Amino acid sequence: GAVVSQHPSWVICKSGTSVKIECRSLDFQATTMFWYRQFPKQSLMLMATSNEGSKATYEQGVEKDKFLINHASLTLSTLTVTSAHPEDSSFYICSASLAGGPTDTQYFGPGTRLTVL
Amino acid sequence: AQSVTQLGSHVSVSEGALVLLRCNYSSSVPPYLFWYVQYPNQGLQLLLKYTSAATLVKGINGFEAEFKKSETSFHLTKPSAHMSDAAEYFCAVSELDYKLSFGAGTTVTVRA
Repeated sequence: GAVVSQHPSWVICKSGTSVKIECRSLDFQATTMFWYRQFPKQSLMLMATSNEGSKATYEQGVEKDKFLINHASLTLSTLTVTSAHPEDSSFYICSASLAGGPTDTQYFGPGTRLTVL
Repeated sequence: AQSVTQLGSHVSVSEGALVLLRCNYSSSVPPYLFWYVQYPNQGLQLLLKYTSAATLVKGINGFEAEFKKSETSFHLTKPSAHMSDAAEYFCAVSELDYKLSFGAGTTVTVRA
């Protein structure tokens, strides 16, 4: 149980285009979903937190107009990288939590590798 | 604000030997602590978590970790390494909110 999927698993796009990444909780309803970014050989950095039906909360330094997050249902959150540039190339990982509390387990997706040419 | 330091970016052990991964944290309030494992091309999987109950926490795959407040540590151990333990391991901390702060990760390789 508690499986989270991401689609696509990898994507290559041209500079200036937008890319949408989907995160789905397959067998549970996620009150809260999180989006992380992971650079090579580095740790995960939280980008934003989204709760179903409300606006996402972005971490300091994350451009909310560049990284659009939508949490339309209890099983789906999307991250859209708008006007992507090479510096946006990274590994994007989502996680989902049943209740979003500090001790609740976050279940992670397998990640999406974005390469911007 | 909380933070995590993982000592050693890479650990190499022989099959059957003890695995010890070190994690120290800083937190202004009693923390909640987690260990996650990431296998190649897979998402992070929870190994175990400390939520202010027993200080010795047992997790999956034979791993355990001990919360030591006096040392602000939460080291992960496994008595006998298996080849399947080769992966990236992350220590993480959260405080009163839900946000996880991750350490830089430790890559474990297991020698036959």
